[in-house]
Amino acid sequence: DSGVTQTPKHLITATGQRVTLRCSPRSGDLSVYWYQQSLDQGLQFLIQYYNGEERAKGNILERFSAQQFPDLHSELNLSSLELGDSALYFCASSTGELGGAEGYTFGSGTRLTVV
Amino acid sequence: GQQVMQIPQYQHVQEGEDFTTYCNSSTTLSNIQWYKQRPGGHPVFLIQLVKSGEVKKQKRLTFQFGEAKKNSSLHITATQTTDVGTYFCAGPIHGGSQGNLIFGKGTKLSVKP
Repeated sequence: DSGVTQTPKHLITATGQRVTLRCSPRSGDLSVYWYQQSLDQGLQFLIQYYNGEERAKGNILERFSAQQFPDLHSELNLSSLELGDSALYFCASSTGELGGAEGYTFGSGTRLTVV
Repeated sequence: GQQVMQIPQYQHVQEGEDFTTYCNSSTTLSNIQWYKQRPGGHPVFLIQLVKSGEVKKQKRLTFQFGEAKKNSSLHITATQTTDVGTYFCAGPIHGGSQGNLIFGKGTKLSVKP
């Protein structure tokens, strides 16, 4: 157990639907990162939050949004889902804003299948 | 745009053989990190290198950061079946926060007992 909790572990949904992925960071970590992992694209950075505020955006589609709540858990919302959104979605956390020598701690991921 | 490339994409070795994966960045990196992802698992942080020419060892694993801070390598001596997995290098996204990483596509290692 890495200390980063992601739910649900698996999600199967239809095209056009909306889903919410949840992440609780490791205790004490203020930064949360979301990554999408697909077979052909590897790990793609989506978005980072630090202590409740958005810090950086990567290749995140407009159909996707995220937020970090006061208790530091984060949610990634994916809407108008398409077949190509099927992937493994990882949440990672780190102590500070800059990652640092400890690196990221990843959760076990949510496997999203869009049918 | 910024790219981090890893070679080879796949490597199959006999248990006991050595293994090396190479990472090349299109931009100079302030640091580089390495992660291991076991089959069906999540990436696990291995190490961070910061200094030009830095070499770090973790038991049978040796990590190097190039002099120009644009390349890195991971060498495993005498592989074991427990080394199976995908090894990723990652560096800070250019122009972004130091905490945001761009990952290479990884080298998938399989070890035949």
